[in-house]
Amino acid sequence: SQTIHQWPATLVQPVGSPLSLECTVEGTSNPNLYWYRQAAGRGLQLLFYSVGIGQISSEVPQNLSASRPQDRQFILSSKKLLLSDSGFYLCAWSVPLRTGNQPQHFGDGTRLSIL
Amino acid sequence: RKEVEQDPGPFNVPEGATVAFNCTYSNSASQSFFWYRQDCRKEPKLLMSVYSSGNEDGRFTAQLNRASQYISLLIRDSKLSDSATYLCVVNGGRADSWGKLQFGAGTQVVVTP
Repeated sequence: SQTIHQWPATLVQPVGSPLSLECTVEGTSNPNLYWYRQAAGRGLQLLFYSVGIGQISSEVPQNLSASRPQDRQFILSSKKLLLSDSGFYLCAWSVPLRTGNQPQHFGDGTRLSIL
Repeated sequence: RKEVEQDPGPFNVPEGATVAFNCTYSNSASQSFFWYRQDCRKEPKLLMSVYSSGNEDGRFTAQLNRASQYISLLIRDSKLSDSATYLCVVNGGRADSWGKLQFGAGTQVVVTP
């Protein structure tokens, strides 16, 4: 069966510090991968998605970046964090089909607090 | 206009009662529909897909109305453990948005003893 791992679970960082969140998927090949952010009491905002190694699409302008160095590894980074980067970050995967009823499956999430 | 809109609630439901709520979506080309459940400070988890003819999974029934562009979720015989936020999720429907999903902000359900 497929599993998704995301770490760390909680992170407290000072403004201006760098960030690296990692997500890995097991039990599937060539998954679509996604990074979301959820602000407190709000809906999910899609940040990045990837359909293959090195292929990253950005949904919103921001000071975050994403990379996919391996098929089942997705990394979210920032060189300098802002206060507005606080939130609940979620990694998700789905099967790589273009059409049809394909849900996404989420990791446990990382709760990021910027001080 | 948001692509997916939900009544935020909360819907306060006595244990054992039935609760139903809707979600509207703006993109008439959307093809895939889901309900997710999110517990407080946890990740969203897939509750059920929504099929054109409507479908049932135990105490949960989902319906799709394409003409009016809404989906609904009905929970029968509510349990305390059903307390959560229910997210309505719709795919983009455009050729360049396959795989991407639009999430509603959620409807909060609180089941009381």
